[in-house]
Amino acid sequence: QQQVKQSPQSLIVQKGGISIINCAYENTAFDYFPWYQQFPGKGPALLIAIRPDVSEKKEGRFTISFNKSAKQFSLHIMDSQPGDSATYFCAASRGDYKLSFGAGTTVTVRA
Amino acid sequence: NAGVTQTPKFRVLKTGQSMTLLCAQDMNHEYMYWYRQDPGMGLRLIHYSVGEGTTAKGEVPDGYNVSRLKKQNFLLGLESAAPSQTSVYFCASSYTGTAKAFFGQGTRLTVV
Repeated sequence: QQQVKQSPQSLIVQKGGISIINCAYENTAFDYFPWYQQFPGKGPALLIAIRPDVSEKKEGRFTISFNKSAKQFSLHIMDSQPGDSATYFCAASRGDYKLSFGAGTTVTVRA
Repeated sequence: NAGVTQTPKFRVLKTGQSMTLLCAQDMNHEYMYWYRQDPGMGLRLIHYSVGEGTTAKGEVPDGYNVSRLKKQNFLLGLESAAPSQTSVYFCASSYTGTAKAFFGQGTRLTVV
């Protein structure tokens, strides 16, 4: 079964809006939580990552919020742009290598 | 600076045929991985390697074999292809002790 559960499967947001993607995990041994961005026909690329000792990390318009007690983390895309239209995957790893991925969220930003 | 290169990019196989997917990285990474991506399933780890000459099973290893004879190359083999192996395959690599993986462009494989 999938070790990381991701929702929603897809979302549509207007340009300038906020996109929010949620992930949940069960394995408390996970200690690294990255988000990957994938454009059609391309491989995933690391977008932003967080470790469980912090509750939030921001890089530009992208923010990860992490709730260790709830075993949940989320990606917020602020001021969404058409160029952000892509599939986003959350992931988790233990021991800093093998990644377990969520099912992915397709984000469409309407101009 | 090529990063992670996968060949071929597309392939159609008949059931029962065999093939090898090649992954090459030029970043001197110790760790290499093979994932498959299916709709609604995310990416699932098939096999991985933590160094030259080593391989290990991931989540979905059945029907696949791998070899890491050289540090820069990681080969994924299908001995007898099945329609259930129709997927997009991604190779990735990372430095030792980090999950910051760099992915190739993918190989779209169709088994008919």
